[in-house]
Amino acid sequence: EPEVTQTPSHQVTQMGQEVILRCVPISNHLYFYWYRQILGQKVEFLVSFYNNEISEKSEIFDDQFSVERPDGSNFTLKIRSTKLEDSAMYFCASSADGAVNQPQHFGDGTRLSIL
Amino acid sequence: GDSVTQMEGPVTLSEEAFLTINCTYTATGYPSLFWYVQYPGEGLQLLLKATKADDKGSNKGFEATYRKETTSFHLEKGSVQVSDSAVYFCALKGGNQAGTALIFGKGTTLSVSS
Repeated sequence: EPEVTQTPSHQVTQMGQEVILRCVPISNHLYFYWYRQILGQKVEFLVSFYNNEISEKSEIFDDQFSVERPDGSNFTLKIRSTKLEDSAMYFCASSADGAVNQPQHFGDGTRLSIL
Repeated sequence: GDSVTQMEGPVTLSEEAFLTINCTYTATGYPSLFWYVQYPGEGLQLLLKATKADDKGSNKGFEATYRKETTSFHLEKGSVQVSDSAVYFCALKGGNQAGTALIFGKGTTLSVSS
């Protein structure tokens, strides 16, 4: 069964540094997402991406965050200047389309630790 | 705004016991409802879904019925196994905002012992 893959599985970064998290969505999917889960808290939506542009974003997704689809397969999340509070598990997801009834398929996540 | 409320965990059961994990939601419109499961060290996996009132989603012995009158989507399984130990998340999409985001509950940890 096709799956979403994320790399790296664990990223440790100094505060203030830039970090890029990478994802390969399911190949025929058109919508891509990033979510995060701070330890012990809810899974929170960050951003959705369709047709090479952001289609929706949450309040969390401020100017420090950006997303990109640099080629036909990768989807990346960049945090420009990391803060301690960015430490979380980051999940990438994809769906075949944006319909309400369409499930999103998740990767295994990248654990980001900011020191 | 839209929200999902799940019962607090952890839920601790013996093998073959009956499982219920309560989930209620707040949303207007016609959201779709989902249950995801997260096994230790893994990502979120879709367990089941229901897209309209009175629909029943089912998978791997788990069931949940979309109840619009009680705004609920409780997860049930008749006989749990040790391998069902995981964190279970209830989620909705397409309520008030009719957007693309999944709105998750806090998750309920299930621990099954033999």
